[in-house]
Amino acid sequence: AQTVTQSQPEMSVQEAETVTLSCTYDTSENNYYLFWYKQPPSRQMILVIRQEAYKQQNATENRFSVNFQKAAKSFSLKISDSQLGDTAMYFCAFMKLGTDKLIFGTGTRLQVFP
Amino acid sequence: DVKVTQSSRYLVKRTGEKVFLECVQDMDHENMFWYRQDPGLGLRLIYFSYDVKMKEKGDIPEGYSVSREKKERFSLILESASTNQTSMYLCASNPTGAPQETQYFGPGTRLLVL
Repeated sequence: AQTVTQSQPEMSVQEAETVTLSCTYDTSENNYYLFWYKQPPSRQMILVIRQEAYKQQNATENRFSVNFQKAAKSFSLKISDSQLGDTAMYFCAFMKLGTDKLIFGTGTRLQVFP
Repeated sequence: DVKVTQSSRYLVKRTGEKVFLECVQDMDHENMFWYRQDPGLGLRLIYFSYDVKMKEKGDIPEGYSVSREKKERFSLILESASTNQTSMYLCASNPTGAPQETQYFGPGTRLLVL
């Protein structure tokens, strides 16, 4: 069975600084997707960024980028130039190809300070 | 834009009551999911449905049932609510066989069972 581990329950960062959220996963699969979701306080969960396991190039979406290390089964999220609106719970998730189901980590609560 | 709506944002029920949580999506997605979200545990899959009248148990189905009579609507039923079912419930949907589409989430229902 696949598992996803987020070892940082809480993190904080000052506005305009860079922060990295960690995620590791365990799987014997070779083809899968990895995701980072953001859940702002009292608001809907939204997708931040996705990575296909067969792609070596790390995904990037504006200020958000990932460091995908397939051999190490690591998938960290880097947020550059942090903004107050980045304050949220962040969840790492795994999807085995062909299942349509997500397996989530326990989440990291990120607080951005002015 | 995909829209996933849930019937209530907040709900207070008494132990032993039958509780219905409704979820509707407007993008003709085949798959629909019910999760519960608890601090320190992340999101855990209760049930999912990949077609009308089809359902599969997730990781924590005990104490819950579901109904999918129409493609756009997926209901979660607590037959006899208990205090340990106090939680945030999230509904999600996605199209079949398109992992790049990931899952779209509703705003959540925060249920308190007294």
